[in-house]
Amino acid sequence: EPEVTQTPSHQVTQMGQEVILRCVPISNHLYFYWYRQILGQKVEFLVSFYNNEISEKSEIFDDQFSVERPDGSNFTLKIRSTKLEDSAMYFCASLRSNSPLHFGNGTRLTVT
Amino acid sequence: GDSVTQMEGPVTLSEEAFLTINCTYTATGYPSLFWYVQYPGEGLQLLLKATKADDKGSNKGFEATYRKETTSFHLEKGSVQVSDSAVYFCALNQPRGSEKLVFGKGTKLTVNP
Repeated sequence: EPEVTQTPSHQVTQMGQEVILRCVPISNHLYFYWYRQILGQKVEFLVSFYNNEISEKSEIFDDQFSVERPDGSNFTLKIRSTKLEDSAMYFCASLRSNSPLHFGNGTRLTVT
Repeated sequence: GDSVTQMEGPVTLSEEAFLTINCTYTATGYPSLFWYVQYPGEGLQLLLKATKADDKGSNKGFEATYRKETTSFHLEKGSVQVSDSAVYFCALNQPRGSEKLVFGKGTKLTVNP
């Protein structure tokens, strides 16, 4: 069964550095999402993306965050200048209409 | 805004025990309700869902009934197995929206042989 692939599985970065988290959604899916889960907290919606633009974003998704689908297959989340509180598990998800949301295995981001 | 509250974990059971994980929600209108499961080292997978009041979602022996009067969607299984050890998330979304899910904190279940 096709699946959503996220890389890397674990990323360690220093505060202030830029990180790019990568996702390859399922090929015929049209809607893409990023969620995050801070350790011990809820899984939180960050952003949804459809037709090459952001369709909805949460309060968390401030100017430090951006998303891109540069080549029709990858879907990336960039954090421009990481903060300690950005440490979390980041989940990518994709969806085709009338199908369940498919999640990747997540990228654990550790900001030191 | 919409929110989901799940019972705090962790939950530890012996094999073949009965499982209940409580979930209640606060939402406007008539949300769809979901249970997602995360096995160790894997992503979130949809376990079951219900889209309207009194619907029962079921899968792999798990069941949950959409109770609008109590705003609840408790997850149950009659006889758990070691392989059910995972983190379980209750979630909701608003129909005809962006499919944005609102999750609970998750409940870690460990089943011992």
